[in-house]
Amino acid sequence: EVVLTQSPGTLSLSPGGRVTLSCRASQSIISNYLAWYQQKPGQAPRLLIYGASSRATGVPPRFSGSGSVRDFTLTISTLEPEDFAVYYCQQYGYTPLTFGGGTKVEIK
Amino acid sequence: EVQLVESGGGLVQPGRSLRLSCATTGFTFDKYAMNWVRQAPGKGLEWVSGISWNSEKKDYVDSVKGRFTISRDNARNSVYLQMNSLRIEDTAMYYCTKDIIPLGFYYFDHWGQGVLVTVSS
Repeated sequence: EVVLTQSPGTLSLSPGGRVTLSCRASQSIISNYLAWYQQKPGQAPRLLIYGASSRATGVPPRFSGSGSVRDFTLTISTLEPEDFAVYYCQQYGYTPLTFGGGTKVEIK
Repeated sequence: EVQLVESGGGLVQPGRSLRLSCATTGFTFDKYAMNWVRQAPGKGLEWVSGISWNSEKKDYVDSVKGRFTISRDNARNSVYLQMNSLRIEDTAMYYCTKDIIPLGFYYFDHWGQGVLVTVSS
């Protein structure tokens, strides 16, 4: 099973800041098969990024993904009030599909 | 508009069974694999099971193998999760998710709102 480790666990930031979230895999992820999701309280997750760097339909350009092999990053260039949420990475190179433990981005 | 609507959750005693259903609209159901993902209260996400468009390929996380069975009815645009021998640790919100490909299990571009399963005596 591929273990995904997200860091940090929690980020306390103010709107307008730049955010960098990390996701490290226990083994190489084939073809950069990594996705990112955003989840707000009481809501289902929402797909943000797939293929490590491709934005899903309707996702604002302030969200970007990068990385390869074992290390991946989600960046929010300018944090908006609606971006405070929990972010999860997920690998789909191997079954069982696995998620990281999540990073909570909270208002400072 | 794509919609996934789960039903069938509730409170159940350990060792008992429950069947979750997910009714879908807004896309060509038999062109995509479908999955179930769960989230224990206050915890992260866990993929539970997936089924290919034609039901030929099914897969499960180890913790539910032999207890849960995924199925689908393409005529009814619905996917199901039969959960037997339920354990306290199966308590979670269960989400039905649409995959982006027909034959494998990749990532999920649409999610239902979830159905809560509580296993407790």
